[in-house]
Amino acid sequence: QVHLQESGPGVVKPSQTLSLTCTVSGGSISSDGYYWTWIRQHSGKGLEWIGYISYSGFTRYNPSLKSRVTISLDTSKNQFSLNLSSVTDADAAVYYCARVIPRDSFPDAFDIWGQGTRVTVSS
Amino acid sequence: DIQMTQSPSSLSASVGDRVTITCRASQNIVTYLNWYQQKPGMAPKLLIHAASSLQSGVPSRFSGSGSGTQFTLTVSGLQPEDFATYYCQQSYIIPRTFGQGTKVEIK
Repeated sequence: QVHLQESGPGVVKPSQTLSLTCTVSGGSISSDGYYWTWIRQHSGKGLEWIGYISYSGFTRYNPSLKSRVTISLDTSKNQFSLNLSSVTDADAAVYYCARVIPRDSFPDAFDIWGQGTRVTVSS
Repeated sequence: DIQMTQSPSSLSASVGDRVTITCRASQNIVTYLNWYQQKPGMAPKLLIHAASSLQSGVPSRFSGSGSGTQFTLTVSGLQPEDFATYYCQQSYIIPRTFGQGTKVEIK
């Protein structure tokens, strides 16, 4: 059974880069057809999609964050990562990684989620 | 961006009730619509994908319908473990967007 686990610092200083890693167990991150995504949730608020990466490294990002976001794959470690630069208070949230199942070869629903990791922005 | 609007924002219901949540998209998304359930302090859980396909392991009391711009999630016979917040999400175009959520509370 596939399991996802986020890791990274819980506190990031303003203007610095937030870096999170999602470790995938129970399956290969290189499995044909799957995408891997990051989603965040501000405290008490709804869900915001950040971006995704395919098993082959193809990425798409939310235009609202695109200039600051990088998602990458490390197939040797079966991990994918999120880098979000120039953080502000508005980036404080719970960050989730998730697997994206394909539909007609395109990324569709988010079927397996990590437990989430809370990130605070503070000097 | 496609705006996803859920109604109601919250509702009170009793165990055994039939509950319906509506999700409206700001443009046609065909059937690229997914539903999630989230309980406090936990990650969302996929319930329905492609508007009406029940995710493996999800009880059959959950069902989804709709196409185009109007979709519904129905829980037939609400159980104690179903009290949670429900989100719709479109997977038609970038950026993926979610509804604001519907909180189902105990009456």
